[in-house]
Amino acid sequence: DGGITQSPKYLFRKEGQNVTLSCEQNLNHDAMYWYRQDPGQGLRLIYYSQIVNDFQKGDIAEGYSVSREKKESFPLTVTSAQKNPTAFYLCASSIAGWANYEQYFGPGTRLTVT
Amino acid sequence: DQQVKQNSPSLSVQEGRISILNCDYTNSMFDYFLWYKKYPAEGPTFLISISSIKDKNEDGRFTVFLNKSAKHLSLHIVPSQPGDSAVYFCAASEGNQFYFGTGTSLTVIP
Repeated sequence: DGGITQSPKYLFRKEGQNVTLSCEQNLNHDAMYWYRQDPGQGLRLIYYSQIVNDFQKGDIAEGYSVSREKKESFPLTVTSAQKNPTAFYLCASSIAGWANYEQYFGPGTRLTVT
Repeated sequence: DQQVKQNSPSLSVQEGRISILNCDYTNSMFDYFLWYKKYPAEGPTFLISISSIKDKNEDGRFTVFLNKSAKHLSLHIVPSQPGDSAVYFCAASEGNQFYFGTGTSLTVIP
């Protein structure tokens, strides 16, 4: 079964702690993306990667970091520098990042920081 | 500044009638437009797309219309079904980045 998995579905952390959100895809897609969704707002791009070992900042990259060591995996670390980390995080992938292909989304991770 | 806007946060429609969801954009360089459907606590799923060289694309009950001069995109669902109740996001892309609207919550009343 091809798809994108994100784990865990719900994550709770104390303020000041770094936390890493997992995203794995077995669709053989080159491009992967991280978005954040807040109530009443659209999806906002955090980081994207078009190819292994390369990634680019999106609109709201501050306080986040990523890595792309394998084609299948694109983990997102929410650092203590992120001022408002509580949100719903969505990972997506597409065949290629530079052409008109739709994105496939994972089920999301809801992060709550207290 | 929001480059893709969905000005109606919610829409209610009777089952069997037409649902029309609207989306406006500001960037004339967008060359690909998409609609996604999202259920609570799930990721969005792709619904339909249209290239900027077309003005209409149809897939079953779903039709997307693109008016480039007005920078306006719409999704028509005919006939609407209760299972269509979800949040619908429009998105636009320029190169390798996608920009999403804030979503419209559609409720189809049986």
